[in-house]
Amino acid sequence: KAGVTQTPRYLIKTRGQQVTLSCSPISGHRSVSWYQQTPGQGLQFLFEYFSETQRNKGNFPGRFSGRQFSNSRSEMNVSTLELGDSALYLCASSLELAVSYEQYFGPGTRLTVT
Amino acid sequence: DQQVKQNSPSLSVQEGRISILNCDYTNSMFDYFLWYKKYPAEGPTFLISISSIKDKNEDGRFTVFLNKSAKHLSLHIVPSQPGDSAVYFCAAAEGGSEKLVFGKGTKLTVNP
Repeated sequence: KAGVTQTPRYLIKTRGQQVTLSCSPISGHRSVSWYQQTPGQGLQFLFEYFSETQRNKGNFPGRFSGRQFSNSRSEMNVSTLELGDSALYLCASSLELAVSYEQYFGPGTRLTVT
Repeated sequence: DQQVKQNSPSLSVQEGRISILNCDYTNSMFDYFLWYKKYPAEGPTFLISISSIKDKNEDGRFTVFLNKSAKHLSLHIVPSQPGDSAVYFCAAAEGGSEKLVFGKGTKLTVNP
């Protein structure tokens, strides 16, 4: 079974631009979560989608948004990029209402904002 | 405020010895705890987990211990192998939420 895939793997953007990252979950997984990893803050939860609905949201500004499609694929968008948005963005998928809370992560998208 | 804390940024052990990674949490509503391992340029990989109704879970060389009264958990790796060298993250979940709260990680180095 293929793992979680994320595209693109690397991205360089300029301040003020916007960016869209894509995530394809493991087949059969309907929950998709997004995390931001930075050296100073570690892994921080952005939001989680299930059946095209956002169920949970972390403490990030409204510039960060996401969506999920009917095939469970998900995208996240960051508008008006700031230097501090440079980070590794990780997507994770899990079975619906997983009893064990296990999430399976993709390799991440490394975003650099200059 | 940091709800999940890993106070040791790094740990170095000899091959064959025990590695003990520690994690503390503050939110008493957490009811499930997980450990993830992360290699450079890869996403975190699930390692082992434990429910709050248990105090120990074992999987091969990996054992997780939970002390609810102290709000503390630890991951034991016995025996440690050089391939275990990675960053280990402790994570916690609460009440059916898919939101995982992570610690900042401990970098484990196992020396041959």
